[in-house]
Amino acid sequence: AQTVTQSQPEMSVQEAETVTLSCTYDTSESNYYLFWYKQPPSRQMILVIRQEAYKQQNATENRFSVNFQKAAKSFSLKISDSQLGDTAMYFCAFAISGAGSYQLTFGKGTKLSVIP
Amino acid sequence: DSGVTQTPKHLITATGQRVTLRCSPRSGDLSVYWYQQSLDQGLQFLIQYYNGEERAKGNILERFSAQQFPDLHSELNLSSLELGDSALYFCASEGGGGIYNEQFFGPGTRLTVL
Repeated sequence: AQTVTQSQPEMSVQEAETVTLSCTYDTSESNYYLFWYKQPPSRQMILVIRQEAYKQQNATENRFSVNFQKAAKSFSLKISDSQLGDTAMYFCAFAISGAGSYQLTFGKGTKLSVIP
Repeated sequence: DSGVTQTPKHLITATGQRVTLRCSPRSGDLSVYWYQQSLDQGLQFLIQYYNGEERAKGNILERFSAQQFPDLHSELNLSSLELGDSALYFCASEGGGGIYNEQFFGPGTRLTVL
């Protein structure tokens, strides 16, 4: 079974600063995907960034980037130039491809507060 | 707006009752996933349907069942409800077809069992 661990229940960052959210996972699979989802107070689940395990290059989406360390099974999210709208719960998630299913396994989440 | 709709937005019911949650996927998406978000269990996968057939099963209780209809909308049926079933229930749709496609989440149905 796959597990995802987020060791930081809560974090805060000053507006315009940079923050890194940690995530580790455990799997015996070699082909998988890793994700960061954002859940703002509206409760909508929004995909922030995705990383394919076979790609060595770290994914980047505007102010969001990841540090993917496959051997260490680590997948951290860096948010640069933090904005008030980044205040949300952030979930790290994992999916393997099994018979056409990409069911997501989520961590417990990190509550990020951006302080003006 | 993800293009995925869920009804109702909120549902309040009593223990022992049965409810049905509805999900309409994005146009063209064949796959629907159901997830439960609760304070105790966090976010967990319940079940997936692809083009009308069950594709994968997760931590879904025997009191819960789901189906996907020919028009591809899906329903999650929860019966003999208990207090612990109070949660936010999401569905997510995905293109399907075997290759990875992004899952788009609906706004969720908030179920409160009193």
